[in-house]
Amino acid sequence: GENVEQHPSTLSVQEGDSAVIKCTYSDSASNYFPWYKQELGKRPQLIIDIRSNVGEKKDQRIAVTLNKTAKHFSLHITETQPEDSAVYFCAATGSSGGYQKVTFGIGTKLQVIP
Amino acid sequence: GAVVSQHPSRVICKSGTSVKIECRSLDFQATTMFWYRQFPKQSLMLMATSNEGSKATYEQGVEKDKFLINHASLTLSTLTVTSAHPEDSSFYICSAREKAWGDEQYFGPGTRLTVT
Repeated sequence: GENVEQHPSTLSVQEGDSAVIKCTYSDSASNYFPWYKQELGKRPQLIIDIRSNVGEKKDQRIAVTLNKTAKHFSLHITETQPEDSAVYFCAATGSSGGYQKVTFGIGTKLQVIP
Repeated sequence: GAVVSQHPSRVICKSGTSVKIECRSLDFQATTMFWYRQFPKQSLMLMATSNEGSKATYEQGVEKDKFLINHASLTLSTLTVTSAHPEDSSFYICSAREKAWGDEQYFGPGTRLTVT
């Protein structure tokens, strides 16, 4: 099955700096890679996603890059703000046994220091 | 649009009893619903995938007789934790997907289960 590794597990940055979170996946058949932001006790919220036929996607201060050959994808947050503090999860989606399955990374706790 | 609700948000039950958690898609028809379990400071672990009208597909290590999943309609799935034990205490989150919209999943707010 799919295995998603995510690092770092914790990340502290000064307000205004950039933050980068990296993930690798094992199943070359995975074709959809969402990123979720989860605040304490709340539901995961999709912040950006990328499909395997695209190498990069950007939405304001957030960008995601995908390297299919190396099987890794990264989340980039620029000009970080205190409200960006949360746990971020990457995920890889592919077909397994005839149905679609999402495998999550372990999560990165991002702290933006004012 | 794409709102998913869960009920209850919190539940405390005694060891040995059963608890039912509901997951509803409020403004769309969910062809597929997923149930996750999340321990404190840990990732979401997929428990099972259910398609409307068919039996749920359970992940390895998840007891299907203990975690009963029913997806009777396109807007409702239920997870019943049977004969609950303290180690079942966790945060249970459902998500729903409309196949025609693509791969995105919409998450419910979660249910905090505490078994005493």
